[in-house]
Amino acid sequence: DIQMTQSPPSLSASVGDRVTITCQASQDISYYLNWYQQKPGKAPKLLIFDASNLETGVPSRFSGSGSGTNFTFTISSLQPEDIATYYCQQCDNLPLYTFGQGTKLEIK
Amino acid sequence: EVQLVESGGGLIQPGGSLRLSCAASGFTVSNNYMIWVRQAPGKGLEWVSVIYSGGSTYYADSVKGRFTISRDNSKNTLFLQMNSLRAEDTAVYYCARVRAIAVLDYWGQGSLVTVSS
Repeated sequence: DIQMTQSPPSLSASVGDRVTITCQASQDISYYLNWYQQKPGKAPKLLIFDASNLETGVPSRFSGSGSGTNFTFTISSLQPEDIATYYCQQCDNLPLYTFGQGTKLEIK
Repeated sequence: EVQLVESGGGLIQPGGSLRLSCAASGFTVSNNYMIWVRQAPGKGLEWVSVIYSGGSTYYADSVKGRFTISRDNSKNTLFLQMNSLRAEDTAVYYCARVRAIAVLDYWGQGSLVTVSS
């Protein structure tokens, strides 16, 4: 099975900072990687699909890149409403919809 | 507008059974892949089960043989029958629509299942 390793597990940053989260797959998954945002007490929300495609309605400060085994999720300028836990999810080795462990983002 | 509304969660004793429902609107369940994802208290997301539009079903090893995913096309509703429940099944259970076989684009609000004596 493919393992997804996210880092860091938690992150503290200031409003306006550039924030980067990484996700590493245990084997090549091409570009089959999605990113989700989960705010406390809420359901996850799709932000990025197929590694770099922004979901409709999602602010352009969010972006994704990468292919193969190494992927990056970036918030170009952190806003207070971005406080959440972010998850990557591989979709190459279906029907195993494996998630990363999550990165909890806090405001400094 | 696409909406998913889960129901059926609650407190159940170990070894008991529970059936979760996920009522969909704004799209047809049977034309899509549908998935159940759970989240134990303070933990990350774990996929539980998926049903393909053609009817094929798949399960995580942790629930295989105990959980059954199904759908009622006439009610446009997804179900998760959970038997032989264990304490480690305690979680919020989310249903989600799967777009293009791989992207979880719409999620329900979640239903809490607590397995405890």
